[in-house]
Parts: sequence; C-alpha cells; structure tokens
Amino acid sequence: EVQVVESGGGLGKPGGSLRLSCAASGFTFSSYSMNWVRQAPGKGLEWVSSISSGSTYIYYADSVKGRFTISRDNARNSLYLQMNRLRDEDTAVYYCAKTLGYCSGGSCYENYFDYWGQGTLVTVSS
Amino acid sequence: EIVLTQSPGTLSLSPGERATLSCRASQSVSSSYLAWYQQKPGQAPRLLIYGASSRATGIPDRFSGSGSGTDFTLTISRLEPEDFAVYYCQQYDTSPPWTFGQGTKVEI
Repeated sequence: EVQVVESGGGLGKPGGSLRLSCAASGFTFSSYSMNWVRQAPGKGLEWVSSISSGSTYIYYADSVKGRFTISRDNARNSLYLQMNRLRDEDTAVYYCAKTLGYCSGGSCYENYFDYWGQGTLVTVSS
Repeated sequence: EIVLTQSPGTLSLSPGERATLSCRASQSVSSSYLAWYQQKPGQAPRLLIYGASSRATGIPDRFSGSGSGTDFTLTISRLEPEDFAVYYCQQYDTSPPWTFGQGTKVEI
C-alpha cells in the first residue's frame, strides 16, 4: 500500500525557518518525482515545489522561490522541504504528493498527483 | 502561467441528481493534461480523473471527465451522499507552474 507521511509542521516566526519531512513507503520511491502542495486555511490548493526522481530537475512556485529548498534522500525514501524566511502567508497545510510523472530534457510529463499524505500544518505567527 | 477558472463556485443538488462542473483554462492545455481531485473536509485531496477523461484506480464510473483545449468538464452522473465535497481541476502542462482551479463545492 502506498503511504506518504508528512512531519515537521508547527509554529514558526516570521523570518524564521522550519523543515518538513515526508516518509514514503509502498512504492519504489527513487523512480518517481515528488511534490509539495499547500493549502492555506479555507483556501484552495497551491503547488509549491517539485523534484525529479534523481534530483536533476527542481522547480518552485514564484511565491517560495529563493526561500524554500526541496530535496530528497532516495536511500531513506524521504522528501524534505526547508522553509526559510517564513512569511505570514506561508501559513498552510503542506501536503507531500507523489506523481506518476517524470522529467526529461527540461520538460515534465504526467505531473499529476496520484497519492497524497494527510498533510502537516505550518503556522507562521509572531 | 495557465490560470484555471472553475464554475460554479457552489453547486446545490440532491442525491441522485447529475452534477456538471466546469474548468476553463486561460490558454490551451497541451495533450489534455488536466486532472480532477475530490477533497472532503479535513482530508487530503483524492485523484479522480487524469488526462481529462481517464478515471484513476478505484474511482466509480459515475465520475467522468471530458473536454480538450481550454474547456473541461467533470460530470457525476448520480450523486451519492459521499460525493458532496469540493472538487479541484489541475493542469499539468510540461512546464511549471502546475496550477489548480479555485474549486467547486458540491453541497446538498
């Protein structure tokens, strides 16, 4: 059974840092691109970042570019999101999401999200 | 960036009725790279449809997707009580950002 489980959420201060983790199981983690998607309270879904299977291709939404860093450890079946210079508007539930897609030559294909974790809440407040 | 606009914002229907949800893109979505998700309160989204019209594993056949280019539709042929939820469309063109619509709430 495919499972992805997020951790690391909590209260962060504006300008501060948090690190999210996602533990994956039930599939060959090293073969698939992974993503972070967030949802502010009462709002819709926003794609945040994507990393290809071998970490060759990494993409960010403009809203987090230069502040967030996505990474993965295929040996540990784990995905990470380092969140620096936090802002109030980063407050959201952060989901780890698997994709069936892949990236090649700078283009990514089939990047829809077939499995999602239950999410971890990040609250940014002073 | 491809902007997706969903309509209506809220759909008020009864069990057994047909639901038709629309998703319009600001520019053509290549290869029908359009997915639909269902989200219930307090839960993660669940993939329903990908490639505009292919049902994901385990999704009942009362859910169907159609469309191409800039206009896409999710149809629920006969609403079951468990179908009352928020539905999002997502485009996954070959380049980021991958964007979602703002959602349609299907309520009783």
